Amino acid sequence: GAVVSQHPSWVICKSGTSVKIECRSLDFQATTMFWYRQFPKQSLMLMATSNEGSKATYEQGVEKDKFLINHASLTLSTLTVTSAHPEDSSFYICSASIPGSRTQYFGPGTRLTVL
Amino acid sequence: LAKTTQPISMDSYEGQEVNITCSHNNIATNDYITWYQQFPSQGPRFIIQGYKTKVTNEVASLFIPADRKSSTLSLPRVSLSDTAVYYCLVGLQTGANNLFFGTGTRLTVIP
Repeated sequence: GAVVSQHPSWVICKSGTSVKIECRSLDFQATTMFWYRQFPKQSLMLMATSNEGSKATYEQGVEKDKFLINHASLTLSTLTVTSAHPEDSSFYICSASIPGSRTQYFGPGTRLTVL
Repeated sequence: LAKTTQPISMDSYEGQEVNITCSHNNIATNDYITWYQQFPSQGPRFIIQGYKTKVTNEVASLFIPADRKSSTLSLPRVSLSDTAVYYCLVGLQTGANNLFFGTGTRLTVIP
């Protein structure tokens, strides 16, 4: 089956620093990847759609200058949380779909803790 | 995308069949229905997907009535390891279309 990985699985950083999270499709090429954020006991919230070779599309209320997304290849998308603050602490999950497929495959998630 | 409504939580004893129903009154003609399972601190895992009538795989069945305004995920003979949150999603899932998660149903399996 399709496998999506994320790195790192968890990260702790100081307030004001930037953190990069990688999302990779291991056995398929993904023209589109999605980034979600999930707070404790809550559902997943879509942050942005990452399109290979073009700018990401951000959902309303998500700051594009704070959450930088780069989708430079068909197997890799990165999310950079710039100038992180404690309120950015959350579980970040990416997903990808095989072109033409109706199924999203999710990564294992990255736990970000900002001190 | 069609909004979905599910029960917030359900409890079931081990070995029982569990049915979780999702309402999606505004489903569009081309929308598919997909169910995911999520354990704490993990990404969602695909369970099953369907368009109409009934779909069955090795872990679950999905029942969709003719009007497609609801769907029911059926988990046969649940075990403790099935304790998780189950999400119903409706929409096109190709290309640049988005996925929006509802509240999900927190299933607790009791010994």
